[in-house]
Amino acid sequence: NAGVTQTPKFQVLKTGQSMTLQCAQDMNHNSMYWYRQDPGMGLRLIYYSASEGTTDKGEVPNGYNVSRLNKREFSLRLESAAPSQTSVYFCASSDGAGVADTQYFGPGTRLTVL
Amino acid sequence: KQEVTQIPAALSVPEGENLVLNCSFTDSAIYNLQWFRQDPGKGLTSLLLIQSSQREQTSGRLNASLDKSSGRSTLYIAASQPGDSATYLCAVKNAGNMLTFGGGTRLMVKP
Repeated sequence: NAGVTQTPKFQVLKTGQSMTLQCAQDMNHNSMYWYRQDPGMGLRLIYYSASEGTTDKGEVPNGYNVSRLNKREFSLRLESAAPSQTSVYFCASSDGAGVADTQYFGPGTRLTVL
Repeated sequence: KQEVTQIPAALSVPEGENLVLNCSFTDSAIYNLQWFRQDPGKGLTSLLLIQSSQREQTSGRLNASLDKSSGRSTLYIAASQPGDSATYLCAVKNAGNMLTFGGGTRLMVKP
């Protein structure tokens, strides 16, 4: 059981380049999330998708776009990368249902923007 | 806006010691509180989830408590082992399925 998978694991970009981070889950979860984690800080929510066909902004959405391609896949796009977007990006998924809802995380993508 | 704080930011203890990690949050209208473990270069693994109506949860040597009225949670680790070395993150869930994370406590257990 793969759980939540993310590609790529590592990426180096130059300022202004674009890229898409891919995420897929095989747990039939309704909700999916993208977070970023910076040194010494906890995770901050970029975007989330409560269900297939819907997306909403989180705490730090500027500079990012997302696509919920189907129930399994949720991608994050950087249209014009900036050094401030150097971070570790985590995708997560959950049932999204109520007080016992637990999020399951992927291994992360380590992105450096030069 | 919910804010979550974890103290201390780093902790080093000798093997075998019992220890407590602290988490505080500003908005008590939470659905649940979770404790996660993160190993270096890895993703997060859920350790314990306490629903808003519960006071504590236990799993093996781990015990987490929740006091909603005071906006506090503690994670108690009994008889610590070197394998417990990791960063521990707490996160609270408010309305809208969103988690708000604390900055984490980096734990080192020395043999």
